[in-house]
Amino acid sequence: NAGVMQNPRHLVRRRGQEARLRCSPMKGHSHVYWYRQLPEEGLKFMVYLQKENIIDESGMPKERFSAEFPKEGPSILRIQQVVRGDSAAYFCASSPTRLAEGRDTQYFGPGTRLTVL
Amino acid sequence: GENVEQHPSTLSVQEGDSAVIKCTYSDSASNYFPWYKQELGKGPQLIIDIRSNVGEKKDQRIAVTLNKTAKHFSLHITETQPEDSAVYFCAASKRGSYIPTFGRGTSLIVHP
Repeated sequence: NAGVMQNPRHLVRRRGQEARLRCSPMKGHSHVYWYRQLPEEGLKFMVYLQKENIIDESGMPKERFSAEFPKEGPSILRIQQVVRGDSAAYFCASSPTRLAEGRDTQYFGPGTRLTVL
Repeated sequence: GENVEQHPSTLSVQEGDSAVIKCTYSDSASNYFPWYKQELGKGPQLIIDIRSNVGEKKDQRIAVTLNKTAKHFSLHITETQPEDSAVYFCAASKRGSYIPTFGRGTSLIVHP
């Protein structure tokens, strides 16, 4: 069973460009979570999605950031008009059920390291 | 919201020694406490977790203890090995959400 897949692993963008980060959850997992990790800091929750629905986006910046998890295909985290402060590692995690049910945990992908020049 | 403090930020030990990482949390409603290990260039991997209905849990060389009254929990690694070198994160979450709040991480270095 393949783990959580993320691509690209490294992404370089110039200020003002768009960044698109992809996440394919583990097989059988329909719940996806995105986190951001700044250097020497813990992971900060951004958004929780289930297929075709955003469940919790309390950690998402109000502007320039959006996320989707379509019926078919990977989850996408999209950052428009990137700025230097967006440089970070972005991790995706997945779980088979809602974490709120307390039966499962989440499994992380290897991350996408975004560098904004 | 929940606030998780983790100490120390860096821990250096000799191979074979024990290592202890401590975390405190602020929300008394938190009842699930996972620990993750993150190796260089990789995503965090769950290594052990504990729920609030138990005070201690062991898995080979790794153990976690929980003191709900004091709102702190600790990770204990015995007989450390160089491959234990990584960044360790504690986290706390609660029923109804279970999206964890992470500590800032501890960089563990095990010298051969």
